[in-house]
Amino acid sequence: AQRVTQPEKLLSVFKGAPVELKCNYSYSGSPELFWYVQYSRQRLQLLLRHISRESIKGFTADLNKGETSFHLKKPFAQEEDSAMYYCALSGQSSASKIIFGSGTRLSIRP
Amino acid sequence: DVKVTQSSRYLVKRTGEKVFLECVQDMDHENMFWYRQDPGLGLRLIYFSYDVKMKEKGDIPEGYSVSREKKERFSLILESASTNQTSMYLCASSLVYERSSYEQYFGPGTRLTVT
Repeated sequence: AQRVTQPEKLLSVFKGAPVELKCNYSYSGSPELFWYVQYSRQRLQLLLRHISRESIKGFTADLNKGETSFHLKKPFAQEEDSAMYYCALSGQSSASKIIFGSGTRLSIRP
Repeated sequence: DVKVTQSSRYLVKRTGEKVFLECVQDMDHENMFWYRQDPGLGLRLIYFSYDVKMKEKGDIPEGYSVSREKKERFSLILESASTNQTSMYLCASSLVYERSSYEQYFGPGTRLTVT
């Protein structure tokens, strides 16, 4: 079964500290993985996708097929990073649908 | 710039009422989706549509129906609203044949309260 697990509902770190939001997935095949973000009073939007291998707003995420993980990392947290983060998966056999994790609320303390 | 709009930001309805949530996208996307967003549960897919008049059930279709008469518009219908359907409803759209990515573009959401 396809599943995305985000074990932390809330993650609170100090400004300037490293951030790691965990995401594990279950999928038999080659999935595409994404991180979506929702800032306060804004719509949900794509942050990054593994296939692009890019850094967005200082965030990176590496797909680890051996550990079936796609953790989101940033070396130095900023206050504007406070938001709700969702890890998501799309299977190539069902190109349209995306399965979302339950989300992690990141709170950056000043 | 993709624009997905939803007819209402806030809606309050009574138990048993029929409720219509409207979503419009202006980028000629084939796919459209309806999710509900609940704390601790993330986004759960209710229904999606990959073409006009085509629809497929998502993970939680019970108590809902959808309509897609035009490509740009996707409606979610609560046939008889119940209090457990109080939630934030998100609409999204995406292209079909963009094989390198399946980015979905979201609307601002409709917060529905059923009393």
